[in-house]
Formats: sequence, C-alpha cells, structure tokens
Amino acid sequence: QKEVEQNSGPLSVPEGAIASLNCTYSDRVSQSFFWYRQYSGKSPELIMSIYSNGDKEDGRFTAQLNKASQYVSLLIRDSQPSDSATYLCAVNGRGSTLGRLYFGRGTQLTVWP
Amino acid sequence: DAGVIQSPRHEVTEMGQEVTLRCKPISGHDYLFWYRQTMMRGLELLIYFNNNVPIDDSGMPEDRFSAKMPNASFSTLKIQPSEPRDSAVYFCASSLASEGQPQHFGDGTRLSIL
Repeated sequence: QKEVEQNSGPLSVPEGAIASLNCTYSDRVSQSFFWYRQYSGKSPELIMSIYSNGDKEDGRFTAQLNKASQYVSLLIRDSQPSDSATYLCAVNGRGSTLGRLYFGRGTQLTVWP
Repeated sequence: DAGVIQSPRHEVTEMGQEVTLRCKPISGHDYLFWYRQTMMRGLELLIYFNNNVPIDDSGMPEDRFSAKMPNASFSTLKIQPSEPRDSAVYFCASSLASEGQPQHFGDGTRLSIL
C-alpha cells in the first residue's frame, strides 16, 4: 500500500510570507509527483508537477523533489490571501497501478492579510 | 477544450433511493477515476477504468455501489439503495495513459442523502 503523508496543518502565514508545504511518500520507485490546490467547495486543480530531483519554479510556486529522501515540497513565495486553500500532494503508481495517483490528506493553508 | 463534465452538480434524495452520477471524461483520455471526498476520510479512490475496462474496484465501499463505462466518453456511478453515510462529494477525473500524466478533475457532485 503506497502512502503519502503531508504535514497535518492547518498552516497559517501572513500575506507576503513564504508558505512551505511538505510531503513524504513510501514507494521508492515513484517517478511523478503533483501538487493540487483545492479551494473550499471546489475540485482539485493541478498547479505543479515535478519528475526530477531538484527545484522546479513556476511563478510564485516552487516544487522541490528529493527522491533519495522520498520527499517533495511546495513553496509559495509572496503568499496572497487568494492562496488560502487545501493543497494535496499526489504520487504516481507504477506497474499494475500505472495511471493511478496516490493522494495525501492535504494541508490547509490560510494566508491572512 | 472541455474539461471533465459531471452531472448533476447537486443531488438531494431520500434514503433508499437509487442515485446515478454521470461523468464525461476529457476526449482522448484513457483513464477514468471515481473518487469520494469527505472531511473524515479525505479523497478516496473508489474505482478506475483503463480503456473502459475496470482495473481496480477495491475502493468501492459496498455492493450498493456500482460503476460502468459503456464507452470512452461516458461513465456512471450508481448507489442503490442509498444511505445517509453515502453523503459526500463525488469527483470524476481522467488522464492520459502515458506514465507521469496528471489527473484532471470534474467539478464534482455534492450528494446529500436524507
């Protein structure tokens, strides 16, 4: 059973700060990692994907992957109140579970003005 | 391009009634997933299909739940008979078959069983 763990939260940061969201996964062979954002009452929306060790930047978002430590994180710079949402980490399945994503429980982020 | 389309958006029905949720995946996608989300249990995978064939239905909670995918552009999730504990948001998602592809979610169906 693949496990994806996220820091439990909730996480609260002031506007303009850096929000750091963390995720660990149990399956060493996982190759694809995703961050989804889910606003209250809405569906999960893909915001970042990362496949290689290191950092991947997209605007104010940076995803970081360390496969040796089985760790993936999402940094949100210059956090805005509109970033307030639940962030879900997802990890791909392989072999017989190819196509499937394993989701963490999510971390609720609140950015206060 | 149209995203994943789910209907209805909201469903309120009485215990014991049959409920049918519908999903149209993104055209060309090979995988289709049904999820249930509650505060208590988070996002749970119920069943998924590859090329219209069910691959894993181990997440289907009981025999009251069934899912079909008669063609590449349509899937249903049926609950019969429904119970109050089935109240949740049900999401459908789809993805391409290549490794490393993300899933794209529909807007969900908010189901309330009275």
